[in-house]
This record gives sequence, structure tokens and C-alpha cells, in this order.
Amino acid sequence: DTGVSQDPRHKITKRGQNVTFRCDPISEHNRLYWYRQTLGQGPEFLTYFQNEAQLEKSRLLSDRFSAERPKGSFSTLEIQRTEQGDSAMYLCASSFERESYEQYFGPGTRLTVT
Amino acid sequence: AQSVAQPEDQVNVAEGNPLTVKCTYSVSGNPYLFWYVQYPNRGLQFLLKYITGDNLVKGSYGFEAEFNKSQTSFHLKKPSALVSDSALYFCAVRVMNTGFQKLVFGTGTRLLVSP
Repeated sequence: DTGVSQDPRHKITKRGQNVTFRCDPISEHNRLYWYRQTLGQGPEFLTYFQNEAQLEKSRLLSDRFSAERPKGSFSTLEIQRTEQGDSAMYLCASSFERESYEQYFGPGTRLTVT
Repeated sequence: AQSVAQPEDQVNVAEGNPLTVKCTYSVSGNPYLFWYVQYPNRGLQFLLKYITGDNLVKGSYGFEAEFNKSQTSFHLKKPSALVSDSALYFCAVRVMNTGFQKLVFGTGTRLLVSP
């Protein structure tokens, strides 16, 4: 399967703990995106990378959230001191360079904070 | 600001009948428009997009959508629905040439196709 992959698929953590998610984009895609989806809502944009550069961040991305893409390939999203409101599906997507190209989404990581 | 509205939370249609899932958009500029489908516990799957050109775009699984600039709409259609089309459908928009890369999604429409 050469699609976008995410790990883990599910994560249950206690409030206050740190969690890290990984995304592996489609290999020839240089753009990578993170979104968050809560129940009954559409995905909401969190951040965007072109190669290793983080070029766009949403106001949703509080200072407890950090994302990296160190070598322009895979990306990690870390949430520090998790809160119950962080419970959501975290989606990663990738695309080719031109802005008209569609984004391809991974299966998501479902985070539950207890 | 850019936004997308999907006015129907759920659309019910019988198998074999045509289906329409509605989407309207609001942008300050020229839009790129997309439809995605989401099956339970799965990520979003790309169906089709409008960039420029022909207002009727064809996509995967027999779906098509019509771009209407005067009505700022981009409704998803299929001539004959299948039970397997039952899923959650999202419309999304991105504004051209703004440098912003994010997609803005609607709240989704659940399509239920009955046998």
C-alpha cells in the first residue's frame, strides 16, 4: 500500500500525559498537512509543511502542540500535557507541490484522553 | 474568510435513484473545490475536484459535481445510488493564489442509501 500511513491508529492516554503521532506521506509528495476532526464536524486545519519547512499554522495549534518534519519525509505531531478537549481524530494528508492538487489523507489517529 | 456550507445533515435515497448532496461556498477569490467521502473509522477519500474549465466534473465511483459560480454551489450528484455509497461526504474549498494551503471543510452530509 503506497498511501499515507499513520501510527498509532488509536491512542488512549490520561490527562496530563504527552503523546506523539507519526505520519508517513506518499513518497513523491513534498507537501504534508495535519488536521483535527471531532465528532460531527469536518476536519479542521492544524499545520502545513513544504518539505521540512513548517509554513502555515492554525490558531488551533496551541503552544502545547508541536509538529516536525525533520528530513522532509515523515512528520510527527506531539501534544504535551493532554487535556480532555484534545480527544479527536488526528488526520494527516499529503499532496504534490502545485496548489491545485488534491490532498490524500491517511486513516487517522484516534486520541482519547481520559 | 472562506467557508463551506452543507445544509443537509443527512440525505436518504433509495438504491437506483439519483442522489444529490448539496454544497455552497463563500470565498473572496477564485475557489478550488473538492469532494471527499469518509467511511467509518477511515480517513477521507478523494472523489473529485473543480479547478477551472468545464463546470461539470466527473470523479470516482460514478460521482460527478456541477460548479455554479452564480449560485456559489458545487453539488455532488450520482445518477443511480448504490447501498455501498452510504457514507459521510465532505465538501471542501481552497482559495487560489493566496499562499494559504489549507482546505476548509463543511460539516459533512451523511448519505444513507436504502435497498
